Amino acid sequence: SAVISQKPSRDICQRGTSLTIQCQVDSQVTMMFWYRQQPGQSLTLIATANQGSEATYESGFVIDKFPISRPNLTFSTLTVSNMSPEDSSIYLCSVGLPQLWKQYFGPGTRLTVT
Amino acid sequence: GQQLNQSPQSMFIQEGEDVSMNCTSSSIFNTWLWYKQDPGEGPVLLIALYKAGELTSNGRLTAQFGITRKDSFLNISASIPSDVGIYFCAGPNSGGSNYKLTFGKGTLLTVNP
Repeated sequence: SAVISQKPSRDICQRGTSLTIQCQVDSQVTMMFWYRQQPGQSLTLIATANQGSEATYESGFVIDKFPISRPNLTFSTLTVSNMSPEDSSIYLCSVGLPQLWKQYFGPGTRLTVT
Repeated sequence: GQQLNQSPQSMFIQEGEDVSMNCTSSSIFNTWLWYKQDPGEGPVLLIALYKAGELTSNGRLTAQFGITRKDSFLNISASIPSDVGIYFCAGPNSGGSNYKLTFGKGTLLTVNP
């Protein structure tokens, strides 16, 4: 498994602003994912972060709202843009071991939008 | 898209009791994963299953890959207070050459000391 850190761990933001969340892995990984977990809910995949190319977004998520960067094999960022209270969630990054389908998660970023 | 149904949604048990929970799918899965999420933390992988009928243990936890390949079960023996959390099952998303996972809604476990 990999050691995954996220920054910030939590934040309280005003509506209309943007927040960039960082995900750092202690080893090079091919597959990196971003999830959203709304209060009391399960995990919903936002996008796959592809190194050196544009992220692949799931239905219901768009690049303008959730731009993602993946400059190398150990780092990715997710930006939550033009935030509204509905964006209040936990945002999680994960790394995948493709051959085994295993994914390992970071500790999450708890976002509250007021 | 695929849906994973977990039951029960929540459980309240006494310390020392055994726990069983399950996950069912409308389609066949080739892999089942079980995760635990503690409050304020990210999910932690507990057990991965890759073959129908497979039974795998991790300490007091035992998970089984159902023979129909549409379900999986997680058992916890002799529960302790630190077993509290949300348990999620997960499996490969449909069209799964891209290694994406679908997660169930979770089973919330509360253990009374």
